[in-house]
Amino acid sequence: EIVLTQSPGTLSFSPGERATLSCRASQSVSSNSLAWYQQKPGQAPRLLIYGASSRATGIPDRFSGGGSGTDFTLTISRLEPEDFAVYCCQQYGSSPITFGQGTRLEIK
Amino acid sequence: QVTLKESGPVLVRPTETLTLTCTVSGFSLSNAKMGVTWIRQPPGKALEWLAHIFSNDEKFYSISLKTRLTISKDTSKSQVILTMTNMDPVDTATYYCARIRYALFDPWGQGTLVTVSS
Repeated sequence: EIVLTQSPGTLSFSPGERATLSCRASQSVSSNSLAWYQQKPGQAPRLLIYGASSRATGIPDRFSGGGSGTDFTLTISRLEPEDFAVYCCQQYGSSPITFGQGTRLEIK
Repeated sequence: QVTLKESGPVLVRPTETLTLTCTVSGFSLSNAKMGVTWIRQPPGKALEWLAHIFSNDEKFYSISLKTRLTISKDTSKSQVILTMTNMDPVDTATYYCARIRYALFDPWGQGTLVTVSS
């Protein structure tokens, strides 16, 4: 099973700043099958990025994904108030599908 | 517009069997290469994939929960059903269903919180 580690658990930024979140896999993620989800309190997760770097439909271009192999990043170029949420990575290239613990983005 | 909605009991007693239903709209469960998956999230913890079922009725289960899970679908009712036997308080979680398309989970239902307690 591929273990995904997201650290730190919480990041603090001010609106307008650039944030980069990390997701590290315990072994190489097949075909860069890595996705990022945004989750707000009381809401379902929303797909942001798939294939490590492709934005899902309707996702603003301030969100970008990068990385390959075992190290992946999600970058939000200029934080908007609605971006403060929990972000979770997922690998779907190997069975079983696994998720990271999530990183909470909070307002400084 | 594709939507999914979970339904089922709010409270389950230990050792009982949980039955959850995911009702979908905006797509058909018979669409090729599409499926529905179940994921759960205990309070304050990470998401955990449980099972999925595809249009050709192919099924996949979490290895750690395989003996307790059964996934099935009723295409005519646009429903996917998940049963989990021998419920325990550690199974307390929000249970989500989501559409699988090209291996991606999108969109998700709103989730349903299931509490296991006597």
